[in-house]
Amino acid sequence: QKEVEQDPGPLSVPEGAIVSLNCTYSNSAFQYFMWYRQYSRKGPELLMYTYSSGNKEDGRFTAQVDKSSKYISLFIRDSQPSDSATYLCAMGNNAGGTSYGKLTFGQGTILTVHP
Amino acid sequence: DSGVTQTPKHLITATGQRVTLRCSPRSGDLSVYWYQQSLDQGLQFLIQYYNGEERAKGNILERFSAQQFPDLHSELNLSSLELGDSALYFCASSVGLSSQETQYFGPGTRLLVL
Repeated sequence: QKEVEQDPGPLSVPEGAIVSLNCTYSNSAFQYFMWYRQYSRKGPELLMYTYSSGNKEDGRFTAQVDKSSKYISLFIRDSQPSDSATYLCAMGNNAGGTSYGKLTFGQGTILTVHP
Repeated sequence: DSGVTQTPKHLITATGQRVTLRCSPRSGDLSVYWYQQSLDQGLQFLIQYYNGEERAKGNILERFSAQQFPDLHSELNLSSLELGDSALYFCASSVGLSSQETQYFGPGTRLLVL
């Protein structure tokens, strides 16, 4: 079983729809939770970062973390064709030792927003 | 543009060969990370260097090695290449050591082993 599970999709929605992307994890040591966006043939770029349970909002994006259920979500409101990309959840801990800056990624969800 | 540069962008080689991938971190970043991205395994952490020293290691194969030089650029060496090593290799950099720091990814090197 992978430490981080993410439905790879693909997910196809019409412009203006609300998109929900989710990841579950099994490692209780994870303390930092990120969402990266990766456009085709590009490197991932950080979209959202949270470290505590609850919601964090940034424009049309809301990141949600539920540590008790080991579940994180990313919501995209009023989705646009420019949001079409692969969305990767990523997690890290502060254990130091052999982990320091290591991020564990989900498989990535491919999202297409149709005009 | 993240500020992280990687060369070459594409690499085609044969099984059994050795290649070197190069990464220059963002100005001021001391940590360099290497990740491998493939369709079946997704994006996987290989190794982290901080100011020249190895600091974290993932499931990096023994055939793979890396180093970070005094000018902070890094190289990933892949030897005795196999078909299964074909993948996208990303370098990322951050200011500090911890996984709470933002990691900025380069554009990647696409490796094809024939």
